[in-house]
Amino acid sequence: DAKTTQPPSMDCAEGRAANLPCNHSTISGNEYVYWYRQIHSQGPQYIIHGLKNNETNEMASLIITEDRKSSTLILPHATLRDTAVYYCIVRALGGYQKVTFGTGTKLQVIP
Amino acid sequence: GAVVSQHPSRVICKSGTSVKIECRSLDFQATTMFWYRQFPKQSLMLMATSNEGSKATYEQGVEKDKFLINHASLTLSTLTVTSAHPEDSSFYICSASRGGNQETQYFGPGTRLLVL
Repeated sequence: DAKTTQPPSMDCAEGRAANLPCNHSTISGNEYVYWYRQIHSQGPQYIIHGLKNNETNEMASLIITEDRKSSTLILPHATLRDTAVYYCIVRALGGYQKVTFGTGTKLQVIP
Repeated sequence: GAVVSQHPSRVICKSGTSVKIECRSLDFQATTMFWYRQFPKQSLMLMATSNEGSKATYEQGVEKDKFLINHASLTLSTLTVTSAHPEDSSFYICSASRGGNQETQYFGPGTRLLVL
């Protein structure tokens, strides 16, 4: 799987949009960008994934650059419950493909 | 989404004993399950990949005789930590996938193991 680079930590004011960047400059054409988050002492929670088009669901939006070398996860209205470590993962197709976690971004939502 | 459960959520055991952790996919059949370990303030590290009905594939450095994995059905995988030692104390997390292309992995809530 391709390596990803994320800032180690970010702060965001409650109610504001949280924009979490991720660089994946060595991504291959068949690799998807996945985002998970891990709230303290819990298992990772799936957020969203995409290949090349921007994606949106009830939790977040995923913006992937045209060259696919970077992406941004957007939480439109951050709440205190969004405080977590957010992992950007690049993964090849196939449910049997393992997920390799980097160090992620620790997002702190501030009241 | 898909639901993955783990049991127990936390366990304390004496050094030298064995501990079994169960991972279940509750609303889907999982052809592939993964086991991870996470030490405090660190990221998740993949231990092994298990496919239903076949032997698990272990990551480099993970002792297969110490961490026994069984994936006997499409909804259940078990991880047994044999002869546990204090250094095995960790947060163990499983994930499951239906398999096939583009299939997302869903994670269990984790099991916290403390070996005294």
